[in-house]
Amino acid sequence: EADIYQTPRYLVIGTGKKITLECSQTMGHDKMYWYQQDPGMELHLIHYSYGVNSTEKGDLSSESTVSRIRTEHFPLTLESARPSHTSQYLCASFADSSYEQYFGPGTRLTVT
Amino acid sequence: RKEVEQDPGPFNVPEGATVAFNCTYSNSASQSFFWYRQDCRKEPKLLMSVYSSGNEDGRFTAQLNRASQYISLLIRDSKLSDSATYLCVVNPGNQFYFGTGTSLTVIP
Repeated sequence: EADIYQTPRYLVIGTGKKITLECSQTMGHDKMYWYQQDPGMELHLIHYSYGVNSTEKGDLSSESTVSRIRTEHFPLTLESARPSHTSQYLCASFADSSYEQYFGPGTRLTVT
Repeated sequence: RKEVEQDPGPFNVPEGATVAFNCTYSNSASQSFFWYRQDCRKEPKLLMSVYSSGNEDGRFTAQLNRASQYISLLIRDSKLSDSATYLCVVNPGNQFYFGTGTSLTVIP
């Protein structure tokens, strides 16, 4: 079982609110990722990080930011939530040894 | 053009059947390939990596054809517990690109 955690698991919030989705892993992985997935659709990369103080934008990053101050923690912030942000957000970390991505359970976000 | 293309299915097969999924990728520089399994409303989990020589893990066999930029997954003797969505994943370098997934339902 992967040691990667996301909170909250479910969130309903109004338009215009600022929200932070939390992601933590205890496996000591340097590489971490945020994906967005709509039902029946592929995962889209939002942001990724190769280690502390490293962050890169993915294909879908324009309305969110991330930080990587500690290896184990990779939070995602939406400055002003919109209904178009309604989706599932998946955090993952990557094991160089096994070349496997481990995913957290996801946060289901609904913006009303 | 999408980085990874998969037939979304759905595939509905009886228990014990053999089923094959295919996937094509657009970036010829891709070096790493994977099949992930995703259950309904759950996170993806690695099923198997795909090697150039092909590889087998129990009832599952993965093949890679670099010339055609094509990856396949074969499931033999399907079980009810195999019902899930199977995601083809390609890594050309910095990022992982996921297909939309192929839905499989194994019927008793």
